[in-house]
Amino acid sequence: DIVMTQSPLSLPVTPGEPASISCRSSQNLLHTNAYKYLDWYLQRPGQAPQLLIYLSYIRASGVPDRFSGSGSGTDFTLKISRVEAEDVGVYYCMQTLQTPYTFGQGTKLDI
Amino acid sequence: QVQLQESGPGLVKPSETLSLTCTVSGDSISGYYWTWIRQPPGKGLEWIGYIHYSGSTNYNPSLKSRLTMSVDTSRNQVSLNLTSVTAADTAVYYCARRKTGYGATFDYWGQGTLVTVSS
Repeated sequence: DIVMTQSPLSLPVTPGEPASISCRSSQNLLHTNAYKYLDWYLQRPGQAPQLLIYLSYIRASGVPDRFSGSGSGTDFTLKISRVEAEDVGVYYCMQTLQTPYTFGQGTKLDI
Repeated sequence: QVQLQESGPGLVKPSETLSLTCTVSGDSISGYYWTWIRQPPGKGLEWIGYIHYSGSTNYNPSLKSRLTMSVDTSRNQVSLNLTSVTAADTAVYYCARRKTGYGATFDYWGQGTLVTVSS
């Protein structure tokens, strides 16, 4: 199985400041179609996860442009340019290159 | 607006079968893959498996021997059965739709249903 490792696991932030979360995969997530099969989800307290970024860099519909994703085949980053109060929750990366799909441990962002 | 709603017993006895249904509204289940994901209380997310509307499946090997998924296109539902449950199967169970296109991104999720395994 592909192992996904996130850091940090806890991220205290100040509103208006930037934030960055790292996700590392144990295997290259680059597909032959040139996309990297890495998605980011946010799980707000008491809610289901929601899609933020897919294929490593594409923002999902309705996601503010303060969120951005980037990465190589094994090292990925989710950046928030200016954190807002509504960004609180747990962020998960997930690989979908091969089954079983696997998630990172989650990064808890709080203010 | 696509909506997914999980339903099923909130309490299952050890060694029995956990059965959940995901009812989809706002769109047909045809043409899509549907996945189940679970989250033990206070822990992270685990992919359980997916089923295509045609009935083809792909299960997590860690659960494969106990798992069955099915679709009912007439009712716009997908279902999950997990046999011989133990306390380790206690979790919030989510169903989600796989987005079309490259990858296996999940664009719509249900609110989740908590299943507790206890006698």
